[in-house]
Amino acid sequence: AQSVSQHNHHVILSEAASLELGCNYSYGGTVNLFWYVQYPGQHLQLLLKYFSGDPLVKGIKGFEAEFIKSKFSFNLRKPSVQWSDTAEYFCAVISSGNTGKLIFGQGTTLQVKP
Amino acid sequence: SQTIHQWPATLVQPVGSPLSLECTVEGTSNPNLYWYRQAAGRGLQLLFYSVGIGQISSEVPQNLSASRPQDRQFILSSKKLLLSDSGFYLCATRDMINYGYTFGSGTRLTVV
Repeated sequence: AQSVSQHNHHVILSEAASLELGCNYSYGGTVNLFWYVQYPGQHLQLLLKYFSGDPLVKGIKGFEAEFIKSKFSFNLRKPSVQWSDTAEYFCAVISSGNTGKLIFGQGTTLQVKP
Repeated sequence: SQTIHQWPATLVQPVGSPLSLECTVEGTSNPNLYWYRQAAGRGLQLLFYSVGIGQISSEVPQNLSASRPQDRQFILSSKKLLLSDSGFYLCATRDMINYGYTFGSGTRLTVV
C-alpha cells in the first residue's frame, strides 16, 4: 500500500531562516504529489502540486518543492520563512486508479519565532 | 468551483452516544467523496471514500460507518461513540479537472 513519510514532526525556526521539510513516498508508478498547509484555525490549503514536467515546482507564498524520482522524495523548501508561515504542513500523494485517494503524511508543525 | 459544507463545526458527545456528521458538495456532480480524520498528534487518515451513490469503501477498521444517500451527500455515523473517536473530521472531494482536492471546514469531535 502507498504511504507517505514526513521525517520532521516539529520544526522551530527563527524568521529569515531557510526551511526544508522532508517527504518520501512509497510507490513505484506515476504519482501526483502535493503539499498542503493548515494555518491555525483555518482550512487545509494547497501550497503546490506536481503532476509532470519540471520537477521543481513553485507554489504560493514563496514555497517550492523538488520531485526527485530516484529518491522517491518531494521536499518542501522556502529560502526565508516568516512568522506567518507558522502552521502545519502535510505532504500527500494521490494513488493510481479512478478512486483518487489522497494519502497524507503525518504532518510537520512549523513554528517560526519572530 | 466546488464547495463543501460540513456541520456541525464543533461537537461534544458522551461515550456510547450515536454520531451523525453530514457533508454536502456544491458545484459538481458525481463527485468522489472522502472522509478523513486528524487525531491529536497524528496526520490525516483516510477513513472512507465513495465513488457514487451507495458505494462506500472503508480504509481502516473502526467504530464508524459512512453512507452516501444522494449524489452530493456523504454522512459519517457511529452507533456508539468511543473515546478514541475524538478528532477532527474532514470531508473532501476531488476536482476531476484540476486533480486537486477541496476540503470542508471540518468538525471537531470530542467524546467525553
